Amino acid sequence: SAVISQKPSRDICQRGTSLTIQCQVDSQVTMMFWYRQQPGQSLTLIATANQGSEATYESGFVIDKFPISRPNLTFSTLTVSNLSPEDSSIYLCSVDSGNSHYEQYFGPGTRLTVT
Amino acid sequence: SQQGEEDPQALSIQEGENATMNCSYKTSINNLQWYRQNSGRGLVHLILIRSNEREKHSGRLRVTLDTSKKSSSLLITASRAADTASYFCAANTGFQKLVFGTGTRLLVSP
Repeated sequence: SAVISQKPSRDICQRGTSLTIQCQVDSQVTMMFWYRQQPGQSLTLIATANQGSEATYESGFVIDKFPISRPNLTFSTLTVSNLSPEDSSIYLCSVDSGNSHYEQYFGPGTRLTVT
Repeated sequence: SQQGEEDPQALSIQEGENATMNCSYKTSINNLQWYRQNSGRGLVHLILIRSNEREKHSGRLRVTLDTSKKSSSLLITASRAADTASYFCAANTGFQKLVFGTGTRLLVSP
């Protein structure tokens, strides 16, 4: 299984600023995923990131608000822009297991609080 | 919304008791997966059941799947305090994306 780290683990940001979250994997992976988990809620997929191509965003999420970079097969960043209190959530990255069952391995998450 | 529903939303039991969580989903699936999340941290994959399977076991975990009802259940036998966590089902529709259920918060008291 892949080992995934995220930075920062938590942050408190002011309204109107941006936060960039880093996701590092210990092996090369094709697909990486970014999720948002609002307080007490389930996970909602923000976008899927393939290396060398634009991220694919889910309905309700736009590139201007959540720009994603995927410069190589082990790293990705998610920026949450123009922060508002409604962006206070846990942001998780995950990677596909690479087998045919599409299991995912998750990072520890980044807890964002917007004041 | 494509999100699946889970019930109960919260479950409180004593150590040694069994815990059962149910999941319903909305579309045809390739497989159904269960994950555990401890206290707002990352998710850990627990068990997967394919669409052509009806029951699967792994240690103290037992998963059932009824594709005609689009439902699955997760049974944890002989629960321990360390099982306290949130549990999510996730439907895989054959592509690489997962659609997560609403989750069940399990509290196991010593």
